[in-house]
Amino acid sequence: KNEVEQSPQNLTAQEGEFITINCSYSVGISALHWLQQHPGGGIVSLFMLSSGKKKHGRLIATINIQEKHSSLHITASHPRDSAVYICAVRKKSSGDKLTFGTGTRLAVRP
Amino acid sequence: DAGITQSPRHKVTETGTPVTLRCHQTENHRYMYWYRQDPGHGLRLIHYSYGVKDTDKGEVSDGYSVSRSKTEDFLLTLESATSSQTSVYFCAISESIAGGPSEQFFGPGTRLTVL
Repeated sequence: KNEVEQSPQNLTAQEGEFITINCSYSVGISALHWLQQHPGGGIVSLFMLSSGKKKHGRLIATINIQEKHSSLHITASHPRDSAVYICAVRKKSSGDKLTFGTGTRLAVRP
Repeated sequence: DAGITQSPRHKVTETGTPVTLRCHQTENHRYMYWYRQDPGHGLRLIHYSYGVKDTDKGEVSDGYSVSRSKTEDFLLTLESATSSQTSVYFCAISESIAGGPSEQFFGPGTRLTVL
């Protein structure tokens, strides 16, 4: 079983919909990262968080350390949000190294 | 955008040949990483560096070596390429804050095909 699990694996939404992507992990962590990979392959860091909630524009990331769960929300989705969203954790036992989920592929239709 | 470049961006080579990929940064960040990305797998760490001449293995290091002689350059070498090393390779950098690394910034990737 992977230490970092994302759901759903694939998601299709209509423009304007509210989107939630989930990440569950089974190890103790010091931080969790959300990344976005565009169709062209580039990877961009969206958030790094260790507690609570962070917001940037239409993106919101939350984490519940006790439940070992994080969510990434996209409000008022747009076709340009179409990408693969990747969750990664920094395990307490691994220092600065990250362990990645396999990603959630999001397609937003106009 | 963080100043990270990778070269080459695409390479096709034959089994048994040596290959070196270069990651160059202009951010003066301490940490550098090499990952590979394959369908069905998340990004997997090959090797990483926490300073000049300080490197360590990741989870998929077999068949790969690295060197970091300058802060800005991190080289990944496949001594004798195999078809199982066909992949997309990403370099990433991060800085240390409050004693630990910050978020990671990724290079554009190198697509390597080993025939």
